[in-house]
Amino acid sequence: DVKVTQSSRYLVKRTGEKVFLECVQDMDHENMFWYRQDPGLGLRLIYFSYDVKMKEKGDIPEGYSVSREKKERFSLILESASTNQTSMYLCASSYPRGHEQFFGPGTRLTVL
Amino acid sequence: AQSVAQPEDQVNVAEGNPLTVKCTYSVSGNPYLFWYVQYPNRGLQFLLKYITGDNLVKGSYGFEAEFNKSQTSFHLKKPSALVSDSALYFCAVRDLSNSGYALNFGKGTSLLVTP
Repeated sequence: DVKVTQSSRYLVKRTGEKVFLECVQDMDHENMFWYRQDPGLGLRLIYFSYDVKMKEKGDIPEGYSVSREKKERFSLILESASTNQTSMYLCASSYPRGHEQFFGPGTRLTVL
Repeated sequence: AQSVAQPEDQVNVAEGNPLTVKCTYSVSGNPYLFWYVQYPNRGLQFLLKYITGDNLVKGSYGFEAEFNKSQTSFHLKKPSALVSDSALYFCAVRDLSNSGYALNFGKGTSLLVTP
């Protein structure tokens, strides 16, 4: 069965902390994505990667960075967490060329 | 640029009645279209997609969607709603003329099915 896992379901951090969100997929997918989900705004793309060590900015990359050292793992990094980064973070993966994306369960991050 | 619009924040329907969740899209080329469902505190689950072929697409849990090119719509439908269908529904689009791999998601429609 297809599986995307995220390292934490709930996370509470303090302003200014460096935060790592990890995502692992077991489907050998080339593409991986990080979204944030906020009420009334839907899903917004932060970054995506179409291959190891490759990354592309999405719609809202400011304040975030990513790392993809292995095909199955895609990390989202908040260099210095701020309260406006409190959100639900969703990771997804897919084959290229129009295939559906498979989502992880999400990490609800609260920055105090 | 590619985008989708879900004009209704919430749809209410009685159990057993047909349901429709609306989606319109805007792309410069031919679209790939998707519907996802999200249950509380969960990730998104794929329901169905339109790539090419028949305009009526059947998916999981008895859902179907109709691709209408002239109206640029991709409405989600189910003939008989269940209380367990209550969830948040997202429409998404990818523009085939766009070499990127990401999808653009709508803002979501909350479906409430009452007994």
